Amino acid sequence: ETGVTQTPRHLVMGMTNKKSLKCEQHLGHNAMYWYKQSAKKPLELMFVYSLEERVENNSVPSRFSPECPNSSHLFLHLHTLQPEDSALYLCASSPYATGGEQYFGPGTRLTVT
Amino acid sequence: ELKVEQNPLFLSMQEGKNYTIYCNYSTTSDRLYWYRQDPGKSLESLFVLLSNGAVKQEGRLMASLDTKARLSTLHITAAVHDLSATYFCAVDQIQGAQKLVFGQGTRLTINP
Repeated sequence: ETGVTQTPRHLVMGMTNKKSLKCEQHLGHNAMYWYKQSAKKPLELMFVYSLEERVENNSVPSRFSPECPNSSHLFLHLHTLQPEDSALYLCASSPYATGGEQYFGPGTRLTVT
Repeated sequence: ELKVEQNPLFLSMQEGKNYTIYCNYSTTSDRLYWYRQDPGKSLESLFVLLSNGAVKQEGRLMASLDTKARLSTLHITAAVHDLSATYFCAVDQIQGAQKLVFGQGTRLTINP
C-alpha cells in the first residue's frame, strides 16, 4: 500500500464502548497528525507526533488517547465518547512536524450512539 | 498566532463561469497549500506555493501567492460540475510554533 491508510473506514460505537482508530503511513515521514472534522468546526487539529513524541495536544478531552508506537503508525484510542464526538477523523503525515505539506488518509467516519 | 481566512465560505456558480476564492492570512509566511475535499472524502493536495509570486495551474484551476499582501487566490476558469467540492487553503506558521494552519474551507457548488 502507498500513502496514508486508515482503518476502519466507518465505525459505530456506543457511549460505553472502547475502540481504536488506526493510521499507517508508507511515505517515510517523521510527523503524524490526528484531525477531527465535523459540520460545526471544519478541521480541528487534535494531536501532533514528531518522531513518535507528542508535540502538540490541542485541549482534547481525555476520552481521546493517542498512541504512536513508531513513525509509521498512529492510533487513536476512544472510550466513553459522547454523541458530539461523531465526526470524520482524519490522519495525516508530513516529512517533519515544523510545517509543510501534509498528506491525508481517507478518514474514519465515526458515529457515537 | 497565525489566522487563515477564506472568502467566500460558500459559493454557488453556473457551469462556464469564472470565479476566484481568496485566502488571507495574518502573519508572515511564504508557504501555502491548497487542498480539495469531496463530500465524505479526505483532503487531496492540489497546489503547493513556496514563494512570493508563485503561480501553479492544473486544468481549470490556477493558484497564486502574494506574500506581501498575505493573500492567495484560487481561480476557476469555465467551471464544470466536477469541480464541485470544498477547497481549503493552509499556511505554514513559520514564526513561533511551526505548524500548518487551515482556513475554514470554501464549499463550491457548480450547477449545470
